[in-house]
Parts: sequence; structure tokens; C-alpha cells
Amino acid sequence: DAGITQSPRYKITETGRQVTLMCHQTWSHSYMFWYRQDLGHGLRLIYYSAAADITDKGEVPDGYVVSRSKTENFPLTLESATRSQTSVYFCASSESGHPYEQYFGPGTRLTVT
Amino acid sequence: GESVGLHLPTLSVQEGDNSIINCAYSNSASDYFIWYKQESGKGPQFIIDIRSNMDKRQGQRVTVLLNKTVKHLSLQIAATQPGDSAVYFCAAPEGAGNMLTFGGGTRLMVKP
Repeated sequence: DAGITQSPRYKITETGRQVTLMCHQTWSHSYMFWYRQDLGHGLRLIYYSAAADITDKGEVPDGYVVSRSKTENFPLTLESATRSQTSVYFCASSESGHPYEQYFGPGTRLTVT
Repeated sequence: GESVGLHLPTLSVQEGDNSIINCAYSNSASDYFIWYKQESGKGPQFIIDIRSNMDKRQGQRVTVLLNKTVKHLSLQIAATQPGDSAVYFCAAPEGAGNMLTFGGGTRLMVKP
């Protein structure tokens, strides 16, 4: 299906485990983003990528790693999950000429126990 | 700290009435603003944007007003419908890489 997809949609993991959240878009958008959404904090940018092999930190990058070897994929890895990383994670993409008109995926609800 | 913020966390309106959702910003250099809508269980969805050289921009049933003097913008929804029930975010580019910073969101509830 066309669009932006995230997997898994729900994930429960234990403290200290590594977990990877996947994001895939079919539009060939240049920009891709990872946000986390928590009550009381709204949406906060974790990492973003302007193109394949180019990634930059956002507002809250600590504890996360990203890569972008292909334009269409932008995985987010929690190297050693902590309870404070329990959140809903959204991936988004946008065209190079309109970086702020972002298309969001359905989100991944991650619980770290 | 947060540079865009919404005035009210919750707004309740009657179906058919007009809704006005407000947002204040602190950075006078901000030159672009965006409104997103997030329905329950879904990701945010782009609604409308406005550049600082404009005071008003209209879309389908939505209007965004920008008052640079008081650093305030509003989203007006005409003839509010049940499908408009959602959380609305204003956002502006700033911070890391001049990427979007989102406000806290206002939940719009539409009463039948």
C-alpha cells in the first residue's frame, strides 16, 4: 500500500533490551522524521533525515540511534530501553521543497517494563 | 523551552457552531506557522499553513489568522462537525535544524 507505514504498531519490551521501530514510505520523500508523543509534552523531535545517509539530532536524541541507508526506510533503535522511553512514536516524511508539510505514520505504542 | 503554545487544552463546541483555537508564539523571528489535526489513535495530519507576510489564509472550512503584533495565531473552523473532533496543534520551525516545534495541543470536542 502507498503511504507511510510503521511497524510494529504495539510493542512491549523490558528495560535494557534493544528494540527497533521501523518506518517505510513509498513517496520517495527526501525528509523523514521520528517524534515521540507523551502526555504533557506534545510531539518532540528525536531525529530527522534530509536524505539517505544524512541524519541529524532533534530535541530529544539521547538513547536513540537512527540510520537511513535507503530513501524509503528510516528505522529508530533504542539501544538499551528505559522506562522513560515508554511513549507513542511517530514517523513522518515530507518533500524536500516542503519540509514542514509532514505526512505522519499511524504510530507505534511502545511500553518498556 | 516551548516557543509555541496553545491557550486552552480543551474546547467544547456545539455542532454547527464555529470553533476558534488559539496559539501564541514567543519568537518574533518565526516566519512560518502550521496547524495539524490529530484524531484519536492516528498520526497528526497537516491542515493549513501561513507565512508571516500574510495575515489570513483560508482553506476548506478553515481559516488561519496571524497577528504578528501580539504574536498570536488562531485556527477558525466554520460549521464545526463531529468529524472535526480531534487535538489541534500549532507548530513553527525552530530549534534543531530549524525543524518543527509543536505546541501542546488543544482538544476540540463537538457536541451533537
